[in-house]
Amino acid sequence: AQSVTQLGSHVSVSEGALVLLRCNYSSSVPPYLFWYVQYPNQGLQLLLKYTTGATLVKGINGFEAEFKKSETSFHLTKPSAHMSDAAEYFCAVSDRGGYNKLIFGAGTRLAVHP
Amino acid sequence: DAGITQSPRHKVTETGTPVTLRCHQTENHRYMYWYRQDPGHGLRLIHYSYGVKDTDKGEVSDGYSVSRSKTEDFLLTLESATSSQTSVYFCAISERERDTQYFGPGTRLTVL
Repeated sequence: AQSVTQLGSHVSVSEGALVLLRCNYSSSVPPYLFWYVQYPNQGLQLLLKYTTGATLVKGINGFEAEFKKSETSFHLTKPSAHMSDAAEYFCAVSDRGGYNKLIFGAGTRLAVHP
Repeated sequence: DAGITQSPRHKVTETGTPVTLRCHQTENHRYMYWYRQDPGHGLRLIHYSYGVKDTDKGEVSDGYSVSRSKTEDFLLTLESATSSQTSVYFCAISERERDTQYFGPGTRLTVL
């Protein structure tokens, strides 16, 4: 069965510092990969996704992620954190076969301090 | 933003009572999903629908049922609510199979 592991339930960075949120997945074949962001008391918003093609994917708000098949990873990065980036981030995978069932990681809460 | 609304947004109920949550979309998307969000678990799929009257179970479907009589509406019913069903429930939609899912604002349900 597929699974998603997000390393670190809480990450804290200074404003202007690099943001790195880690995501590893287990799948027999390369899945579709997603990062979602959730602001307090809101639903989930898509940041970016990887389906096929270029392994470095750019998303909204300056975020990007790189699909590394050999490492089964899809880490999310942003060069310079902003206070408005404080939120919870979820990595998710979708099997290429069957219906679009998303398997989510447990989430990483990002705090940005001045 | 995708046109997805959920009602009610907040509900407090007692153990043993039936509860129905509604998801309404204006996007005419074929696929609809119900998830629950609990701390430490991310989101887990309860049920999903791949068309009118076509539904299937997700990974945490026990104690829940769904119905979809119209493209735009997907109902989640807790036949007899239990305290373990206290959670935040999210509806999602997607246009095509294996396409991006768009999420509603959520319903916070408390079962006392």
